[in-house]
Amino acid sequence: AQSVTQLDSHVSVSEGTPVLLRCNYSSSYSPSLFWYVQHPNKGLQLLLKYTSAATLVKGINGFEAEFKKSETSFHLTKPSAHMSDAAEYFCVVTNDYKLSFGAGTTVTVRA
Amino acid sequence: NAGVTQTPKFRILKIGQSMTLQCTQDMNHNYMYWYRQDPGMGLKLIYYSVGAGITDKGEVPNGYNVSRSTTEDFPLRLELAAPSQTSVYFCASSSAEGRQNTEAFFGQGTRLTVV
Repeated sequence: AQSVTQLDSHVSVSEGTPVLLRCNYSSSYSPSLFWYVQHPNKGLQLLLKYTSAATLVKGINGFEAEFKKSETSFHLTKPSAHMSDAAEYFCVVTNDYKLSFGAGTTVTVRA
Repeated sequence: NAGVTQTPKFRILKIGQSMTLQCTQDMNHNYMYWYRQDPGMGLKLIYYSVGAGITDKGEVPNGYNVSRSTTEDFPLRLELAAPSQTSVYFCASSSAEGRQNTEAFFGQGTRLTVV
């Protein structure tokens, strides 16, 4: 069995400050982990993925995430938020064909 | 590359009507999925398929049916539409490299309203 918990349903940051979105997972096997972003009224876009290579993964738009097996975490960070980062973010764990989504974190960015 | 294509983008149905949401992918992916997304609720899996001729129920299958006659197509059928089926529907596909999943590719979504 596998599951994903996104620890914050909503994160609010000021433009230019760091962003941290927290994700914990459980999985019986070595998982693949992903972060997706969804802008309002749009589909889901892949930000980055972890598939058992480097534990620090760099993605698009300056985002990165670190896989920590001991903490079963895959937190997403960005050093400096931009207004265009306002969106919904989903952490996803997969094993074989099964995709499990977190409930999502809504990010708002204050000018 | 077209990726995952869903049609229609928007639809309004009356209670009791039926419709089919179309989904096709051109990446030769084995795995395909249908999700629904309700405000503040994340994505819920309706049905999935691991290959042509094989489908299985997800978390919220009631009121829906699927078929997978080809690798490319995975239509979702709504019979007897109900207001509770008002939602945004996403089709997705993915594959595997050994035991690792590739990322899932998503269609642009279908916004369905049942009145």
